[in-house]
Amino acid sequence: KAGVTQTPRYLIKTRGQQVTLSCSPISGHRSVSWYQQTPGQGLQFLFEYFSETQRNKGNFPGRFSGRQFSNSRSEMNVSTLELGDSALYLCASSLVTGYTGEQYFGPGTRLTVT
Amino acid sequence: GESVGLHLPTLSVQEGDNSIINCAYSNSASDYFIWYKQESGKGPQFIIDIRSNMDKRQGQRVTVLLNKTVKHLSLQIAATQPGDSAVYFCAEKKNFGNEKLTFGTGTRLTIIP
Repeated sequence: KAGVTQTPRYLIKTRGQQVTLSCSPISGHRSVSWYQQTPGQGLQFLFEYFSETQRNKGNFPGRFSGRQFSNSRSEMNVSTLELGDSALYLCASSLVTGYTGEQYFGPGTRLTVT
Repeated sequence: GESVGLHLPTLSVQEGDNSIINCAYSNSASDYFIWYKQESGKGPQFIIDIRSNMDKRQGQRVTVLLNKTVKHLSLQIAATQPGDSAVYFCAEKKNFGNEKLTFGTGTRLTIIP
């Protein structure tokens, strides 16, 4: 069974631009969660989607948004990029929502904002 | 405030020895705890979890201990191998039904051959 895939793996953007990251969950998984990982803040929860609905949201500004499609693939968007948005963005999928133990993480998208 | 923290940011252990990675949490309402392993260039990988109604859980070469009295969590890895070198995170889930996980900052474990 294929794992969680994220595209692109690396991305360089300039301040003020926007970016869209993509996540394809493991086949059959309906929940997708997004995390931001930085050396200073560690892993921080962004949001979770289940059956195309946002189920939970972390403490990030409105510039961070996401969506989930009917095939469970998910995208997250960051608008008006800031230098501090440079991070590794991870998505994780699980069969159902609420059981966060068995989340399977993708390799992440490394975003650099210059 | 609420926090999940780690006692040591780095840990070096001789191959074959046992490793103990510690984690402190401050929210007594947390009811679920998870340990993740993250190798370089990869996403975190689930290792083992424990619910607040337990104080010990064992997996293959790993044991998680939960001390609710002092709000302390530890991960024990037996007979460490070079492949155990990674960053280890503890995470807590606060409040029943809230799926949001809060992660600790991580401990880098290095296995010395």
